[in-house]
Amino acid sequence: QQQVKQSPQSLIVQKGGISIINCAYENTAFDYFPWYQQFPGKGPALLIAIRPDVSEKKEGRFTISFNKSAKQFSLHIMDSQPGDSATYFCAAGVGTSGSRLTFGEGTQLTVNP
Amino acid sequence: DAGVTQSPTHLIKTRGQHVTLRCSPISGHKSVSWYQQVLGQGPQFIFQYYEKEERGRGNFPDRFSARQFPNYSSELNVNALLLGDSALYLCASSFWGGEAFFGQGTRLTVV
Repeated sequence: QQQVKQSPQSLIVQKGGISIINCAYENTAFDYFPWYQQFPGKGPALLIAIRPDVSEKKEGRFTISFNKSAKQFSLHIMDSQPGDSATYFCAAGVGTSGSRLTFGEGTQLTVNP
Repeated sequence: DAGVTQSPTHLIKTRGQHVTLRCSPISGHKSVSWYQQVLGQGPQFIFQYYEKEERGRGNFPDRFSARQFPNYSSELNVNALLLGDSALYLCASSFWGGEAFFGQGTRLTVV
């Protein structure tokens, strides 16, 4: 079964700290790995995404690290801010079906002021 | 620019009833996918439609069905509602092979 395992379930960091969320997948056919941010009552919003031909992608304070051999990828949020407090989901997709995604269970991030 | 719009935003139904949820994709997007998000969990894929044809189906019972119209909008139908169908139903649109953009969802409560 196609699964994406996400950890931790919840995370509390201080303002200015680094938030790290990890995901692992099983299906080696996955070749598209996005991260979504979701606020209460809202739909998920795409943050950043990576394909396995690169090991790292950075956009502003958000960085994805990708380890193809270990089938793992992670999201790093640098200089975390209280406004980053939300639920974060990793996901994985296959080929051109970028919108048929398998999601992780989510990480509830709280950034304390 | 308008994003993905879903209607209604909230809905309360009784067990055994039928429900229809609607989605309008971002202009120019021809692919629409539906997801179910139970409280505290990640979204689960239900259907993908592209150019009015079903291109993928997740592990959901036949009570769930969908269709896409010539203007690329889509409907998700659920028959014989169960308490366990209570969830946030999300619609995502994209170009084929492109990034998926989600709507705000329809919160369905089955009582």
